[in-house]
Amino acid sequence: AQSVTQLDSHVSVSEGTPVLLRCNYSSSYSPSLFWYVQHPNKGLQLLLKYTSAATLVKGINGFEAEFKKSETSFHLTKPSAHMSDAAEYFCVVSPRGGNTPLVFGKGTRLSVIA
Amino acid sequence: GAGVSQSPRYKVAKRGQDVALRCDPISGHVSLFWYQQALGQGPEFLTYFQNEAQLDKSGLPSDRFFAERPEGSVSTLKIQRTQQEDSAVYLCASSPGQGGPRETQYFGPGTRLLVL
Repeated sequence: AQSVTQLDSHVSVSEGTPVLLRCNYSSSYSPSLFWYVQHPNKGLQLLLKYTSAATLVKGINGFEAEFKKSETSFHLTKPSAHMSDAAEYFCVVSPRGGNTPLVFGKGTRLSVIA
Repeated sequence: GAGVSQSPRYKVAKRGQDVALRCDPISGHVSLFWYQQALGQGPEFLTYFQNEAQLDKSGLPSDRFFAERPEGSVSTLKIQRTQQEDSAVYLCASSPGQGGPRETQYFGPGTRLLVL
């Protein structure tokens, strides 16, 4: 069975400092991995996705993530946090093989302090 | 263009009432997914359609939950005899093709259901 573990339920950073949101996955196959962001009362928005091409994936708003098969990790980073980055972030795995619903982690709430 | 829309955005129901939640996917999208998001949790899969065919309903928590997509476009999630544990945000997502592992799912804003 496929699953994701987000290692921190809450991360707090100061504006202008780096962001690191950690995610480990478990998958029997070569997975597709995603990061989604959810702002309050808004829908889930795709930040970036890994689909077995380049292991370093660049997304929107300056976010990027690196797929590390040996560590089964897909951590999300950003060099400099902005106040508008405050939101809930979900690491997501899509198993291989046909019609596959997404499997979400429990989420990490990012707070940005001025 | 228009994204995925859901209605109503908020629904308050008395325990025992039936509710119907609507999802309008992005025009032309073949696949449609329903997820349930409890407070403080990540979304969990409920059911999935490819056109009008319901291909997977393994995530529906009980036989009180029923979903349909009769013409392969709009979908309705119906919950009969609502219980307090049904309180959650119900999310709908659509994707262009067959919902494969590399496809992007586009989410609607969700319907927040509160059962009193």
